[in-house]
Amino acid sequence: NAGVTQTPKFQVLKTGQSMTLQCAQDMNHNSMYWYRQDPGMGLRLIYYSASEGTTDKGEVPNGYNVSRLNKREFSLRLESAAPSQTSVYFCASSEWASGSLGDTQYFGPGTRLTVL
Amino acid sequence: EDQVTQSPEALRLQEGESSSLNCSYTVSGLRGLFWYRQDPGKGPEFLFTLYSAGEEKEKERLKATLTKKESFLHITAPKPEDSATYLCAVQPYGQNFVFGPGTRLSVLP
Repeated sequence: NAGVTQTPKFQVLKTGQSMTLQCAQDMNHNSMYWYRQDPGMGLRLIYYSASEGTTDKGEVPNGYNVSRLNKREFSLRLESAAPSQTSVYFCASSEWASGSLGDTQYFGPGTRLTVL
Repeated sequence: EDQVTQSPEALRLQEGESSSLNCSYTVSGLRGLFWYRQDPGKGPEFLFTLYSAGEEKEKERLKATLTKKESFLHITAPKPEDSATYLCAVQPYGQNFVFGPGTRLSVLP
């Protein structure tokens, strides 16, 4: 039982390049989330998927797109990377949709992205 | 606007020196308050969920408490392995988490 896994662990991009961050969970959770973490700031929600087949914007969605590929997998895509997207990205999952009981989120190990 | 602040920003303790971390929040309606531990280079690790004022939860040297405006994470007789950043998050009803910036704890041997 690996929990939440993320690939890659590290990535360096040049401005304008694109990439996809992958996330998978093996806990049979309904909801999945993408956050970014910057120094001195709390985790900020980029996008989330309350259930398979749905996605919604979070607090900071500009410059990102997501795909809920199936119940297990949720990917984050940067179409044209910018230096402001240099950050650590975390994927998380929870059993129920936001606002319901037992909404604890479980996090992956993160992807450290640098955009030059 | 829902908001979470944590204090202090950083805390250095000697091994065995007990202390508390604070999480203050303003939220329209609290569904739950969550504490996480984050080690350098790792993802946040779930510690506790608190749902109502007066509730307390304990795990080893950690105890979390909740009032209507704030939560405390009490650390009793800490050890160097308790060194980490501790994150607080609130979940308003029907909404997603709002995270605080964290408290960076260092426990010196």
